[in-house]
Amino acid sequence: SAVISQKPSRDICQRGTSLTIQCQVDSQVTMMFWYRQQPGQSLTLIATANQGSEATYESGFVIDKFPISRPNLTFSTLTVSNMSPEDSSIYLCSVGGATNEKLFFGSGTQLSVL
Amino acid sequence: GESVGLHLPTLSVQEGDNSIINCAYSNSASDYFIWYKQESGKGPQFIIDIRSNMDKRQGQRVTVLLNKTVKHLSLQIAATQPGDSAVYFCAGRYGGATNKLIFGTGTLLAVQP
Repeated sequence: SAVISQKPSRDICQRGTSLTIQCQVDSQVTMMFWYRQQPGQSLTLIATANQGSEATYESGFVIDKFPISRPNLTFSTLTVSNMSPEDSSIYLCSVGGATNEKLFFGSGTQLSVL
Repeated sequence: GESVGLHLPTLSVQEGDNSIINCAYSNSASDYFIWYKQESGKGPQFIIDIRSNMDKRQGQRVTVLLNKTVKHLSLQIAATQPGDSAVYFCAGRYGGATNKLIFGTGTLLAVQP
């Protein structure tokens, strides 16, 4: 299984500011995924990040709000831009296993927007 | 749109009893399902998976059953322990090799001593 490190683990931010979340994997992976988990809810896929190409966003998520970088096969960032209290969630990075099936998750970033 | 949902939001069981967590899905084209366990403050942890060409798969103390006729998935935990207390999510894969997972709403399993 992959070891995934996310930073920061939590943050409290002011309305209108932006936060960049980092995801580091201990092995090279083709696809990385960013999920959002709103309080008390399930996980929703934000986008799929492939190295060397633009991220693919799911319905309801746009690049201007959630820009993603994928500079190499072990690292990705997700930025939550111009934050509002509605962006308060856990943001999770995930990658596929060796067979590209089992998704492994990082421990998440708990974001609170005041 | 696609959906994968759970029947019960909360399940309370006695320590030592067996637990059954249920899940329904809407898209018969889904080829792969996973169960995750999420403890408070942590990311989801893989428990067990099953492909759509199987109807049962067993792990250590856990069994996943898949009924494609009624689009139903269940997770059985044998001899439930306090450490099993967590939120359990089912997820179904859509889109083949893209690994795009749709998650269910989650069930909170509370194990009573």
